[in-house]
Amino acid sequence: GNSVTQMEGPVTLSEEAFLTINCTYTATGYPSLFWYVQYPGEGLQLLLKATKADDKGSNKGFEATYRKETTSFHLEKGSVQVSDSAVYFCALGLTQGGSEKLVFGKGTKLTVNP
Amino acid sequence: KAGVTQTPRYLIKTRGQQVTLSCSPISGHRSVSWYQQTPGQGLQFLFEYFSETQRNKGNFPGRFSGRQFSNSRSEMNVSTLELGDSALYLCASSPGGLAGARNEQFFGPGTRLTVL
Repeated sequence: GNSVTQMEGPVTLSEEAFLTINCTYTATGYPSLFWYVQYPGEGLQLLLKATKADDKGSNKGFEATYRKETTSFHLEKGSVQVSDSAVYFCALGLTQGGSEKLVFGKGTKLTVNP
Repeated sequence: KAGVTQTPRYLIKTRGQQVTLSCSPISGHRSVSWYQQTPGQGLQFLFEYFSETQRNKGNFPGRFSGRQFSNSRSEMNVSTLELGDSALYLCASSPGGLAGARNEQFFGPGTRLTVL
């Protein structure tokens, strides 16, 4: 089946530290891959996406590369800020009979301390 | 452009009651999806509507239903509420069309349902 595995949290870092959140997936066909972020009390916001193998998505200093050979889409940021504290979700985007569907990982809670 | 709006933001119901949640997508978006978020199960897909037709449904009991109107607004209904239905219900919209899953889905703030 289709599934996403994310590294377990929570993750606690100091400001300006390097961030990696691992994400691997199992999917049939050619999914798109997304990272969404959820701040307390809010819905999900798209952080970045990649729609085919070797694509690199980037936004606000975050990056992730769609690796088909390792079925991975790891999120990285070189220097985190307190404002990056949130829950991060890796997701597969699937097209099934014309329909769009997202399959999410469990989420990784990130806390950045000053 | 206004974002995805969901009403109400908070609901408290008792077991056995039914509830209707509403979602207004971004103007011009024709696809609306619903997701349930709980601490135990995470984010799970409920269903997706496009041009008033349900195109896909997740693995939820028949108590969960939805519909979409001609202006793309959508409602979901949960009948005979159970304690386990307590969750954040998120609505997402996208343009739909040929780009399919390459489209970004834009999420609303959610409706927090508490079943007592």
